[in-house]
Amino acid sequence: EAQVTQNPRYLITVTGKKLTVTCSQNMNHEYMSWYRQDPGLGLRQIYYSMNVEVTDKGDVPEGYKVSRKEKRNFPLILESPSPNQTSLYFCASFGQKRPNEQYFGPGTRLTVT
Amino acid sequence: AQSVTQPDIHITVSEGASLELRCNYSYGATPYLFWYVQSPGQGLQLLLKYFSGDTLVQGIKGFEAEFKRSQSSFNLRKPSVHWSDAAEYFCAVAPPYNTDKLIFGTGTRLQVFP
Repeated sequence: EAQVTQNPRYLITVTGKKLTVTCSQNMNHEYMSWYRQDPGLGLRQIYYSMNVEVTDKGDVPEGYKVSRKEKRNFPLILESPSPNQTSLYFCASFGQKRPNEQYFGPGTRLTVT
Repeated sequence: AQSVTQPDIHITVSEGASLELRCNYSYGATPYLFWYVQSPGQGLQLLLKYFSGDTLVQGIKGFEAEFKRSQSSFNLRKPSVHWSDAAEYFCAVAPPYNTDKLIFGTGTRLQVFP
């Protein structure tokens, strides 16, 4: 089954404790992206990657890092989480054909206390 | 500024009633248009998309959307709503100058009463 998976689905952590949210897709897609969803703001792009070792900032990249060492994986790293990063995070992917629809993971709900 | 607007934050309808969710965009050229649905606790699922051609687009779950260039709109419709349609609906656009980017509206939460 074609899918995007994220782990963990739920995470509660404390300010300053580094964490990683993993994202993996099995569709051999070149493009992957991270979004955060906040009430009243919709989804906003954090970072995206056009292919292995190619990443770029989205609209709200501050406080986040990403890496793309393998085509299928695109982890989101919060080196020093803060309460304002409490949010619902989605990973998405799509292939080379343009335009194209993005496939979304199930989301990771992060709470930073 | 270039943007996507969903003017209705929250809509309540009775089961069996018709539904229309509004979406307006502001771009110089026609972007690529999408509607996604997010059921409680779930990820986003694509309902339908418009790239070109027939301006009335059919999607999954009985939804359709009509692209109106003159109004810069892409409204989502369903003739008869089911209780299982209760969810949050997002309109999204991929700008014509950067089809890798997806810009979302703020969402419309649909509540369905029996």
